[in-house]
Amino acid sequence: GAVVSQHPSRVICKSGTSVKIECRSLDFQATTMFWYRQFPKKSLMLMATSNEGSKATYEQGVEKDKFLINHASLTLSTLTVTSAHPEDSSFYICSARDRNRAFGNTIYFGEGSWLTVV
Amino acid sequence: GDSVTQMEGPVTLSEEAFLTINCTYTATGYPSLFWYVQYPGEGLQLLLKATKADDKGSNKGFEATYRKETTSFHLEKGSVQVSDSAVYFCALSDLSWGKLQFGAGTQVVVTP
Repeated sequence: GAVVSQHPSRVICKSGTSVKIECRSLDFQATTMFWYRQFPKKSLMLMATSNEGSKATYEQGVEKDKFLINHASLTLSTLTVTSAHPEDSSFYICSARDRNRAFGNTIYFGEGSWLTVV
Repeated sequence: GDSVTQMEGPVTLSEEAFLTINCTYTATGYPSLFWYVQYPGEGLQLLLKATKADDKGSNKGFEATYRKETTSFHLEKGSVQVSDSAVYFCALSDLSWGKLQFGAGTQVVVTP
């Protein structure tokens, strides 16, 4: 079946540094990818919608200068957390929409990436 | 705006017990409804879905029926196994975008 891969699965970084998380669709083309954030024992919060070849659309309250999203190809979107702070520590999950399948069967999630900022 | 409300957990059951997780939603249009499952340390997997009123989604012994009159999409399984221990998320989505609005999630713990 369709697979979405995230990398790295776990990352620890120091406060003030930047960290990049990749989301790849391995066997399908994804014109649209979504980035979610999940706090411990909480639900997923949509951060932004990533569209191939154009700027990402951010949800209200999400700092676009802090969470940089790039969707340079039909199979890759990246989330860069800039000048990371401990409060950015979270579980980040991406999902990708298969452009070639009917809706309802098109959304696939990555395995998620644990970010810890120390 | 659209929202999803799930029953709070954790729900602790014995193996072979009946499981129900309540989910209700509010939406301005006619959303599609989903149940996702998250096993410990993993990402999300689609469990089942329903795209219109009265549709029943089913998978791995789980079922949920899209009830427009009660705006509900309750998840049920007749006989749970230890391997069903996970967090279950109810979600809705607008057809045109694919953005998902999630409920808070319900942790289910099944004991032998």
